[in-house]
Amino acid sequence: AQTVTQSQPEMSVQEAETVTLSCTYDTSESDYYLFWYKQPPSRQMILVIRQEAYKQQNATENRFSVNFQKAAKSFSLKISDSQLGDAAMYFCAYRGFSGSARQLTFGSGTQLTVLP
Amino acid sequence: EAGVAQSPRYKIIEKRQSVAFWCNPISGHATLYWYQQILGQGPKLLIQFQNNGVVDDSQLPKDRFSAERLKGVDSTLKIQPAKLEDSAVYLCASSLAPRQGNYGYTFGSGTRLTVV
Repeated sequence: AQTVTQSQPEMSVQEAETVTLSCTYDTSESDYYLFWYKQPPSRQMILVIRQEAYKQQNATENRFSVNFQKAAKSFSLKISDSQLGDAAMYFCAYRGFSGSARQLTFGSGTQLTVLP
Repeated sequence: EAGVAQSPRYKIIEKRQSVAFWCNPISGHATLYWYQQILGQGPKLLIQFQNNGVVDDSQLPKDRFSAERLKGVDSTLKIQPAKLEDSAVYLCASSLAPRQGNYGYTFGSGTRLTVV
């Protein structure tokens, strides 16, 4: 079964600074998707960024970018120029293409605090 | 496009009572998921529907939880009787089929259930 591990339960960053959230995963598949979701206190899971495993180029979305290391099964999220509105719980997630891997599997989350 | 609608937003019940949650997915999304998110943890899949058929309910506690998806659109999740450990946020999500679209999920805002 696929597993997703987030080893940082909490992180903090100064406003306007850069922070990196870590994620590792375990899979035997060669083709899959990886996601970072943000969950503010409103509880709604908001897609931040996604990466297709067959693409070597790291995904970017404005201030958000990933460092995807397929061989190491690592998928970290970098937030540049952090803003107060970035404070939330961040979840790394995996979705494959076969069997139970087709379901979205989440890590345990990292609570990000942005300090003014 | 309209998002995934869920109701109620909050629910407080006594143990051994019953409760039901409702979800209306995004129009055109054939796949619907119910997740349970216990405080401080990542969401855990309870059940997955493809149209009105169950694809995976392996993690659904079937002695007390049930779910249905009427006409392949709306879905209800029921707990009867509730236990204290069922206190959690229940998230509904929908998605397109694999390799169709961006392959991500769209989540509702969830129902926060408190069992006392």
